[in-house]
Amino acid sequence: AQKITQTQPGMFVQEKEAVTLDCTYDTSDQSYGLFWYKQPSSGEMIFLIYQGSYDEQNATEGRYSLNFQKARKSANLVISASQLGDSAMYFCAMREGDRGSTLGRLYFGRGTQLTVWP
Amino acid sequence: AAGVIQSPRHLIKEKRETATLKCYPIPRHDTVYWYQQGPGQDPQFLISFYEKMQSDKGSIPDRFSAQQFSDYHSELNMSSLELGDSALYFCASSSSLGGSHNEQFFGPGTRLTVL
Repeated sequence: AQKITQTQPGMFVQEKEAVTLDCTYDTSDQSYGLFWYKQPSSGEMIFLIYQGSYDEQNATEGRYSLNFQKARKSANLVISASQLGDSAMYFCAMREGDRGSTLGRLYFGRGTQLTVWP
Repeated sequence: AAGVIQSPRHLIKEKRETATLKCYPIPRHDTVYWYQQGPGQDPQFLISFYEKMQSDKGSIPDRFSAQQFSDYHSELNMSSLELGDSALYFCASSSSLGGSHNEQFFGPGTRLTVL
């Protein structure tokens, strides 16, 4: 079964508007970490934001915030004030057995291609 | 700040040839991960090393092998290449002392094309 599900293959948003990219996850672990990465057309994988399963506050990093709803097992990424440079593929990922774990592969979703138009 | 270095950035090989991809983690990072991203696909975990020992193994074909050396750099060796091996190969590194995030920092990737 897919551990990370991103149901939006593509999203479009106008510059300066906010956009939400959906992510749901599946794990039986109590401790886990959730990540969002951005992959521009050039191919590199850029870390955006992290949320630990025990974190009570939603993570924020500049224009990025993570809407973490543990009971629903969702970790949606919210990008505020979209910019043209935000156009890229966005991946949600999970690492199980987090919280002090030094090792752990990332499970990625299929990604959402975000296009920001002027 | 220093980032993860991967070489080569691009590689073109024929079927049945071999390839070696190299990864130089961020200084003082002790864990290295390899991922394979096929065209239009999500990255898939291949293998990881912690302190030069294999720590986890994913969907890595038997034709592939990898190791981490004493200076913490890692190499992914791929033999009997197949057309389906064409992909972007990422190396990522993290530090076991990096706090609860243990964020994985990704290199720019090596784009392998098998003809």
